[in-house]
Amino acid sequence: DGGITQSPKYLFRKEGQNVTLSCEQNLNHDAMYWYRQDPGQGLRLIYYSQIVNDFQKGDIAEGYSVSREKKESFPLTVTSAQKNPTAFYLCASTLDTTLYNEQFFGPGTRLTVL
Amino acid sequence: SQQGEEDPQALSIQEGENATMNCSYKTSINNLQWYRQNSGRGLVHLILIRSNEREKHSGRLRVTLDTSKKSSSLLITASRAADTASYFCATGGKAAGNKLTFGGGTRVLVKP
Repeated sequence: DGGITQSPKYLFRKEGQNVTLSCEQNLNHDAMYWYRQDPGQGLRLIYYSQIVNDFQKGDIAEGYSVSREKKESFPLTVTSAQKNPTAFYLCASTLDTTLYNEQFFGPGTRLTVL
Repeated sequence: SQQGEEDPQALSIQEGENATMNCSYKTSINNLQWYRQNSGRGLVHLILIRSNEREKHSGRLRVTLDTSKKSSSLLITASRAADTASYFCATGGKAAGNKLTFGGGTRVLVKP
């Protein structure tokens, strides 16, 4: 089955810890994205990557880091510098970065800071 | 800041009724997309309308786009309980990376 997967589904973190959220896709998509969603809110872009070994900051990149070593994988690290990390994190991918492409979303990871 | 703003924020209707939600945005766009999100899940793409299109249909969905008013509407006809979800508009601009900017969403409850 083709798709985009995220793990874990739920993640609990103690204050001061870094955690890494996994995102994998087997759709052969070039571009991948990380979004944050707070309760009752829309999505805000954290980071995106148009191609392997390249990524750009989105609107709320502070306290987060990413890597794109493989086309299939785009992990997100939530660092201790992120002041309020409790949120629902969504990963998405799209075929390429030309116009008129829909984004495909993973099921999300819910991160809670204890 | 969010590009799109949905209206209303929440909508409650009976099964069989139509549901209409609106999206307004601020800057010029290349396309506008609508997504659905069931509670606690990822988003599912519903429909994409290009900036040079005025109306588009997909099954029970009808989307309109008025670039002069910078607004779009999503109509769901003959709603079903399974349509209960949050609906988001997302605008695609001219920036690199095919980035989308999402609105805050409309939460729709369809009562059986």
